[in-house]
Amino acid sequence: SQQGEEDPQALSIQEGENATMNCSYKTSINNLQWYRQNSGRGLVHLILIRSNEREKHSGRLRVTLDTSKKSSSLLISASRAADTASYFCATDWQREGRGTGANSKLTFGKGITLSVRP
Amino acid sequence: DGGITQSPKYLFRKEGQNVTLSCEQNLNHDAMYWYRQDPGQGLRLIYYSQIVNDFQKGDIAEGYSVSREKKESFPLTVTSAQKNPTAFYLCASSAFRVTGIQPQHFGDGTRLSIL
Repeated sequence: SQQGEEDPQALSIQEGENATMNCSYKTSINNLQWYRQNSGRGLVHLILIRSNEREKHSGRLRVTLDTSKKSSSLLISASRAADTASYFCATDWQREGRGTGANSKLTFGKGITLSVRP
Repeated sequence: DGGITQSPKYLFRKEGQNVTLSCEQNLNHDAMYWYRQDPGQGLRLIYYSQIVNDFQKGDIAEGYSVSREKKESFPLTVTSAQKNPTAFYLCASSAFRVTGIQPQHFGDGTRLSIL
């Protein structure tokens, strides 16, 4: 399966601590995206990192990508109780013999449940 | 405000019944997607469409059907052939670029249960 796999499955931290979540995948990708889902709601896009990028920042979020190890990390710094949610990585993986864009789709991992204790 | 609207929020299906989930977007996005989410699981792609009047099967299309007659609308029908329809259904849309999948915008889902 090309599905991304997040690690750990669940994470519980104290407010103010940093949260680090990892994602591994198996095939070459065009880009990797991180999403957040609050309970009972739809997903919200957080950040997209392209295969030729190594690091991106957005507010308290920092995402790294290591294509040689086929892995990505999402760091949430100075966590808040409102960061409590499930976090998913999603890969836009390259299909052999196909150009990007056509028949493209994201493949989501099973998610990481983050609990931030006040 | 632009966004995606899914309705209804909760839906109950009787045995042998087809039900249709609505998804409307006003983001002017070309691509639209339907996902199924089961408890503790990631999202699995049911169908997707990159242009009006065209759609492609995803990973779990059996027992489902879609149409894309308008850019703004991508309804999903859960047919009686889908024997385990209880799940949370999410609709998403995105811009279409040949450089790769763009960020997807999601609705707030429809929770489908069997009566």
